[in-house]
Amino acid sequence: GDSVTQMEGPVTLSEEAFLTINCTYTATGYPSLFWYVQYPGEGLQLLLKATKADDKGSNKGFEATYRKETTSFHLEKGSVQVSDSAVYFCALRVNTGFQKLVFGTGTRLLVSP
Amino acid sequence: DGGITQSPKYLFRKEGQNVTLSCEQNLNHDAMYWYRQDPGQGLRLIYYSQIVNDFQKGDIAEGYSVSREKKESFPLTVTSAQKNPTAFYLCASSPRQGRQETQYFGPGTRLLVL
Repeated sequence: GDSVTQMEGPVTLSEEAFLTINCTYTATGYPSLFWYVQYPGEGLQLLLKATKADDKGSNKGFEATYRKETTSFHLEKGSVQVSDSAVYFCALRVNTGFQKLVFGTGTRLLVSP
Repeated sequence: DGGITQSPKYLFRKEGQNVTLSCEQNLNHDAMYWYRQDPGQGLRLIYYSQIVNDFQKGDIAEGYSVSREKKESFPLTVTSAQKNPTAFYLCASSPRQGRQETQYFGPGTRLLVL
């Protein structure tokens, strides 16, 4: 079935370091891909999305490129801030039948000053 | 401001008790969803509704019930049949159920069993 695999956390970085959080997926057809962010005690916020192969989603300095050949959607940021500390979820949406979201397990990012 | 509100933020349930979690949206969205989040796990879909007076079971509907009498409201009842209800519950909505539609999430309700 459809699934999303994320790197296990926590990912611990110093401020201004480069961030990569890996995400790979398994899906039938051509899913849409998403990154959501969850700050402590809050709901999920959409960070970025891509709906077709080679699309690049970007927001707030974060980027991710939809790679069909490697079935990946890795999240990157060139210089993280303490305020980026949160849990990041990769998700896919199948585009046939009921188009539900399938989530990865989440990756916690901790950024220290 | 438009958005999704969930109440209460924390909810306590006693053995054998049903509890209802509220979800309200003023975004004029047609579709609404309930997810459950457990520590170290992704979100799992409980129920969803594509239109008023219609709803469907998700992946883990057992022990839960919903209603959709108004477009803006989608309450979730956790019944006594749900044996492990302690979790973080998230409500979401989207303009409609379709390929280009992004789901927007509320702030969540944390349910604890006494």
